[in-house]
Amino acid sequence: EVQLVESGGGLIQPGGSLRLSCAASGFTVSSNYMSWVRQAPGKGLEWVSVIYSGGSTYYADSVKGRFTISRDNSKNTLYLQMNSLRAEDTAVYYCASQYTVTSFDYWGQGTLVTVSS
Amino acid sequence: QSVLTQPPSVSAAPGQKVTISCSGSSSNIGNNYVSWYQQLPGTAPKLLIYDNNKRPSGIPDRFSGSKSGTSATLGITGLQTGDEADYYCGTWDSSLSAGLVFGGGTKLTVL
Repeated sequence: EVQLVESGGGLIQPGGSLRLSCAASGFTVSSNYMSWVRQAPGKGLEWVSVIYSGGSTYYADSVKGRFTISRDNSKNTLYLQMNSLRAEDTAVYYCASQYTVTSFDYWGQGTLVTVSS
Repeated sequence: QSVLTQPPSVSAAPGQKVTISCSGSSSNIGNNYVSWYQQLPGTAPKLLIYDNNKRPSGIPDRFSGSKSGTSATLGITGLQTGDEADYYCGTWDSSLSAGLVFGGGTKLTVL
Protein backbone atom coordinates (compact mmCIF):
# COMPACT_ATOMS: atom_id res chain seq x y z
CA GLU A 1 0.00 0.00 0.00
CA VAL A 2 1.32 3.43 -0.95
CA GLN A 3 1.61 5.94 1.88
CA LEU A 4 2.91 9.49 1.94
CA VAL A 5 3.39 11.08 5.34
CA GLU A 6 4.28 14.75 5.64
CA SER A 7 5.89 16.36 8.66
CA GLY A 8 7.68 19.55 9.63
CA GLY A 9 4.87 22.06 9.58
CA GLY A 10 4.22 24.53 12.37
CA LEU A 11 4.09 28.18 13.37
CA ILE A 12 6.93 30.29 12.03
CA GLN A 13 7.59 34.03 12.00
CA PRO A 14 7.72 35.99 8.74
CA GLY A 15 11.18 35.77 7.22
CA GLY A 16 11.87 32.44 8.86
CA SER A 17 12.69 29.04 7.39
CA LEU A 18 11.12 25.62 7.62
CA ARG A 19 11.81 22.24 6.03
CA LEU A 20 8.95 19.91 5.22
CA SER A 21 9.45 16.19 4.81
CA CYS A 22 7.36 13.58 3.01
CA ALA A 23 8.22 9.99 3.85
CA ALA A 24 7.04 7.47 1.29
CA SER A 25 6.30 3.78 1.65
CA GLY A 26 5.03 1.30 -0.89
CA PHE A 27 6.75 2.99 -3.82
CA THR A 28 10.02 4.68 -4.75
CA VAL A 29 10.19 8.47 -4.63
CA SER A 30 13.14 8.66 -7.01
CA SER A 31 11.30 6.71 -9.71
CA ASN A 32 8.33 9.08 -9.77
CA TYR A 33 7.53 12.69 -10.45
CA MET A 34 6.83 14.19 -7.01
CA SER A 35 5.19 17.50 -6.25
CA TRP A 36 4.26 19.78 -3.39
CA VAL A 37 0.78 21.30 -3.56
CA ARG A 38 -0.55 23.76 -1.00
CA GLN A 39 -3.96 24.97 0.08
CA ALA A 40 -4.42 28.19 2.00
CA PRO A 41 -7.20 28.13 4.62
CA GLY A 42 -10.56 28.12 2.86
CA LYS A 43 -8.93 28.45 -0.55
CA GLY A 44 -8.20 26.26 -3.56
CA LEU A 45 -5.24 24.12 -4.54
CA GLU A 46 -1.98 25.70 -5.65
CA TRP A 47 0.87 23.71 -7.16
CA VAL A 48 4.20 24.68 -5.59
CA SER A 49 7.01 22.59 -7.03
CA VAL A 50 7.89 19.34 -8.80
CA ILE A 51 10.97 17.15 -8.97
CA TYR A 52 11.15 14.76 -11.88
CA SER A 53 12.61 11.28 -11.68
CA GLY A 54 15.63 12.57 -13.61
CA GLY A 55 16.18 15.28 -11.01
CA SER A 56 14.90 18.35 -12.87
CA THR A 57 12.98 20.77 -10.68
CA TYR A 58 10.35 23.42 -11.37
CA TYR A 59 8.66 25.99 -9.17
CA ALA A 60 5.61 28.21 -9.15
CA ASP A 61 6.50 31.87 -9.60
CA SER A 62 5.14 32.61 -6.12
CA VAL A 63 7.91 30.54 -4.47
CA LYS A 64 10.74 30.68 -7.01
CA GLY A 65 14.01 31.66 -5.37
CA ARG A 66 12.67 30.99 -1.86
CA PHE A 67 11.70 27.30 -1.87
CA THR A 68 13.82 24.29 -2.84
CA ILE A 69 12.51 20.81 -3.55
CA SER A 70 14.80 17.83 -3.07
CA ARG A 71 14.78 14.15 -2.22
CA ASP A 72 16.88 11.65 -0.31
CA ASN A 73 16.81 8.39 -2.21
CA SER A 74 18.30 6.42 0.68
CA LYS A 75 15.46 7.56 2.95
CA ASN A 76 12.80 7.46 0.21
CA THR A 77 11.81 10.95 1.35
CA LEU A 78 10.84 14.17 -0.40
CA TYR A 79 11.67 17.58 1.06
CA LEU A 80 10.64 21.18 0.68
CA GLN A 81 13.03 23.77 2.10
CA MET A 82 11.13 27.00 2.59
CA ASN A 83 13.05 30.23 3.23
CA SER A 84 12.01 33.87 3.57
CA LEU A 85 8.52 32.80 4.53
CA ARG A 86 5.65 35.24 4.14
CA ALA A 87 2.15 35.39 5.58
CA GLU A 88 0.76 34.35 2.20
CA ASP A 89 2.68 31.06 2.44
CA THR A 90 0.31 29.98 5.23
CA ALA A 91 -1.33 26.79 4.00
CA VAL A 92 -1.66 23.06 4.31
CA TYR A 93 1.17 21.57 2.29
CA TYR A 94 0.58 18.23 0.57
CA CYS A 95 3.12 16.05 -1.12
CA ALA A 96 1.75 14.14 -4.07
CA SER A 97 3.00 11.67 -6.62
CA GLN A 98 2.21 12.27 -10.24
CA TYR A 99 0.32 9.55 -12.07
CA THR A 100 0.84 11.36 -15.34
CA VAL A 101 2.51 14.66 -16.21
CA THR A 102 -0.78 16.43 -15.48
CA SER A 103 -2.34 14.39 -12.67
CA PHE A 104 -1.65 13.39 -9.08
CA ASP A 105 -2.66 9.99 -7.75
CA TYR A 106 -1.28 9.57 -4.24
CA TRP A 107 -1.48 12.40 -1.70
CA GLY A 108 -0.26 12.74 1.84
CA GLN A 109 -2.49 13.92 4.67
CA GLY A 110 -0.93 17.38 4.60
CA THR A 111 1.02 19.45 7.11
CA LEU A 112 -0.05 22.94 8.20
CA VAL A 113 2.40 25.82 7.91
CA THR A 114 1.37 29.04 9.62
CA VAL A 115 3.47 32.15 9.02
CA SER A 116 2.62 34.77 11.61
CA SER A 117 4.25 37.02 14.15
CA GLN B 1 -7.27 34.49 -9.42
CA SER B 2 -6.93 30.96 -10.81
CA VAL B 3 -5.67 30.26 -14.32
CA LEU B 4 -8.54 27.82 -14.85
CA THR B 5 -12.10 29.04 -14.28
CA GLN B 6 -14.71 26.92 -12.50
CA PRO B 7 -18.15 27.89 -11.19
CA PRO B 8 -17.97 28.47 -7.42
CA SER B 9 -20.89 26.18 -6.74
CA VAL B 10 -23.35 23.75 -8.30
CA SER B 11 -26.21 21.83 -6.79
CA ALA B 12 -28.57 19.01 -7.68
CA ALA B 13 -30.85 16.50 -6.02
CA PRO B 14 -29.88 12.93 -5.14
CA GLY B 15 -30.05 10.63 -8.14
CA GLN B 16 -29.73 13.49 -10.60
CA LYS B 17 -26.83 14.42 -12.89
CA VAL B 18 -24.55 17.43 -12.57
CA THR B 19 -21.77 18.86 -14.70
CA ILE B 20 -18.89 21.07 -13.61
CA SER B 21 -17.07 23.16 -16.19
CA CYS B 22 -13.43 24.19 -16.32
CA SER B 23 -12.41 26.92 -18.74
CA GLY B 24 -8.86 27.73 -19.77
CA SER B 25 -6.83 28.75 -22.79
CA SER B 26 -4.61 27.37 -25.52
CA SER B 27 -1.61 27.47 -23.18
CA ASN B 28 -3.20 25.04 -20.75
CA ILE B 29 -6.37 23.03 -21.45
CA GLY B 30 -6.14 23.59 -25.20
CA ASN B 31 -2.88 21.68 -25.49
CA ASN B 32 -2.64 19.50 -22.40
CA TYR B 33 -4.51 16.73 -20.63
CA VAL B 34 -6.96 17.63 -17.87
CA SER B 35 -7.41 15.90 -14.52
CA TRP B 36 -10.20 16.20 -11.94
CA TYR B 37 -10.11 15.81 -8.15
CA GLN B 38 -12.65 15.40 -5.37
CA GLN B 39 -11.86 16.87 -1.97
CA LEU B 40 -14.10 15.90 0.91
CA PRO B 41 -14.03 18.22 3.95
CA GLY B 42 -10.81 17.91 5.93
CA THR B 43 -9.21 15.40 3.58
CA ALA B 44 -6.63 15.37 0.81
CA PRO B 45 -7.79 15.57 -2.82
CA LYS B 46 -8.58 12.33 -4.63
CA LEU B 47 -7.95 11.74 -8.32
CA LEU B 48 -11.19 11.10 -10.23
CA ILE B 49 -10.24 11.64 -13.88
CA TYR B 50 -6.90 11.86 -15.70
CA ASP B 51 -5.98 12.42 -19.35
CA ASN B 52 -9.34 14.19 -19.93
CA ASN B 53 -11.59 11.17 -19.61
CA LYS B 54 -9.83 8.20 -17.98
CA ARG B 55 -10.78 6.87 -14.57
CA PRO B 56 -8.22 5.40 -12.17
CA SER B 57 -8.93 1.98 -10.77
CA GLY B 58 -11.68 2.12 -8.16
CA ILE B 59 -13.43 5.24 -9.44
CA PRO B 60 -17.03 4.39 -10.37
CA ASP B 61 -18.30 5.08 -13.87
CA ARG B 62 -20.75 7.61 -12.43
CA PHE B 63 -17.84 10.01 -12.86
CA SER B 64 -16.87 11.04 -16.39
CA GLY B 65 -14.69 13.63 -18.04
CA SER B 66 -14.59 15.33 -21.40
CA LYS B 67 -12.67 18.08 -23.15
CA SER B 68 -13.43 20.31 -26.07
CA GLY B 69 -11.06 23.02 -27.20
CA THR B 70 -10.05 25.09 -24.19
CA SER B 71 -12.74 23.76 -21.84
CA ALA B 72 -13.25 20.58 -19.88
CA THR B 73 -16.23 19.13 -18.08
CA LEU B 74 -16.69 16.73 -15.20
CA GLY B 75 -19.97 14.83 -15.12
CA ILE B 76 -21.44 13.01 -12.16
CA THR B 77 -24.55 10.88 -12.53
CA GLY B 78 -26.68 9.19 -9.88
CA LEU B 79 -25.75 11.81 -7.31
CA GLN B 80 -25.30 10.64 -3.74
CA THR B 81 -25.06 12.65 -0.54
CA GLY B 82 -21.50 11.35 -0.23
CA ASP B 83 -20.58 13.20 -3.44
CA GLU B 84 -20.95 16.51 -1.63
CA ALA B 85 -17.44 17.93 -1.84
CA ASP B 86 -15.17 20.41 -3.58
CA TYR B 87 -14.08 19.51 -7.10
CA TYR B 88 -10.97 20.80 -8.85
CA CYS B 89 -9.69 20.60 -12.41
CA GLY B 90 -5.99 20.67 -13.18
CA THR B 91 -3.59 20.68 -16.09
CA TRP B 92 -0.19 21.92 -17.24
CA ASP B 93 0.21 25.52 -18.33
CA SER B 94 2.96 26.15 -20.85
CA SER B 95 2.97 29.94 -20.69
CA LEU B 96 5.99 31.95 -19.47
CA SER B 97 5.22 30.85 -15.91
CA ALA B 98 5.08 27.18 -16.90
CA GLY B 99 3.77 24.77 -14.33
CA LEU B 100 0.82 22.78 -13.09
CA VAL B 101 -2.34 24.79 -12.54
CA PHE B 102 -5.69 24.18 -10.87
CA GLY B 103 -9.11 25.69 -11.14
CA GLY B 104 -10.50 27.62 -8.21
CA GLY B 105 -12.72 24.73 -7.19
CA THR B 106 -16.46 24.05 -7.29
CA LYS B 107 -18.53 23.24 -4.23
CA LEU B 108 -21.09 20.55 -5.04
CA THR B 109 -24.17 20.51 -2.87
CA VAL B 110 -26.46 17.50 -3.04
CA LEU B 111 -29.83 18.87 -1.98
